Amino acid sequence: EADIYQTPRYLVIGTGKKITLECSQTMGHDKMYWYQQDPGMELHLIHYSYGVNSTEKGDLSSESTVSRIRTEHFPLTLESARPSHTSQYLCASSGYSGTGDQPQHFGDGTRLSIL
Amino acid sequence: SQQGEEDPQALSIQEGENATMNCSYKTSINNLQWYRQNSGRGLVHLILIRSNEREKHSGRLRVTLDTSKKSSSLLITASRAADTASYFCATVRNNAGNMLTFGGGTRLMVKP
Repeated sequence: EADIYQTPRYLVIGTGKKITLECSQTMGHDKMYWYQQDPGMELHLIHYSYGVNSTEKGDLSSESTVSRIRTEHFPLTLESARPSHTSQYLCASSGYSGTGDQPQHFGDGTRLSIL
Repeated sequence: SQQGEEDPQALSIQEGENATMNCSYKTSINNLQWYRQNSGRGLVHLILIRSNEREKHSGRLRVTLDTSKKSSSLLITASRAADTASYFCATVRNNAGNMLTFGGGTRLMVKP
């Protein structure tokens, strides 16, 4: 199993709250990613980072924001949660490769439910 | 629209049978990867096949890639109940670094 950890695993919270989903990896990977996945559906990339102080938006527009102050840490924040944010959020990391042949290692996800 | 699409969306077989899943994609790729996702868990990387490879094996897994048809298949031989999971193909597009685009997945159920 990969050394990438997400907390919390489950979160049920009311509308309007500020939420931070934590993701940490101990593999020293420069690249990190956040995906959104509805149950039984495909993954959509919402944010990624090439390294410290690098953050980019992914293919799926998201109201969330991310930061990358340390290599091992890539938290995702929702300033004001809404029911439309209910989903599973998966964090991943990968080593560097110019040809993209490094596999991504995933955490077990945070299942977020906004009431 | 999604880069990869899996077929079938769901597959139910008996233990010991082989399971075949197919993936089609739309644009040129550097490589194609297969991942497994157990219920309530993250994805686990299974196998990677580069665009200049046609077939690859890893244990009970066999992956083929046909770049002319923009398709790949994953074969799991002698399936076990523990193989029950969703299987996703993911493509790395040319000049896109490590960016993966996932298909919708095949949900495999292996009955004991």
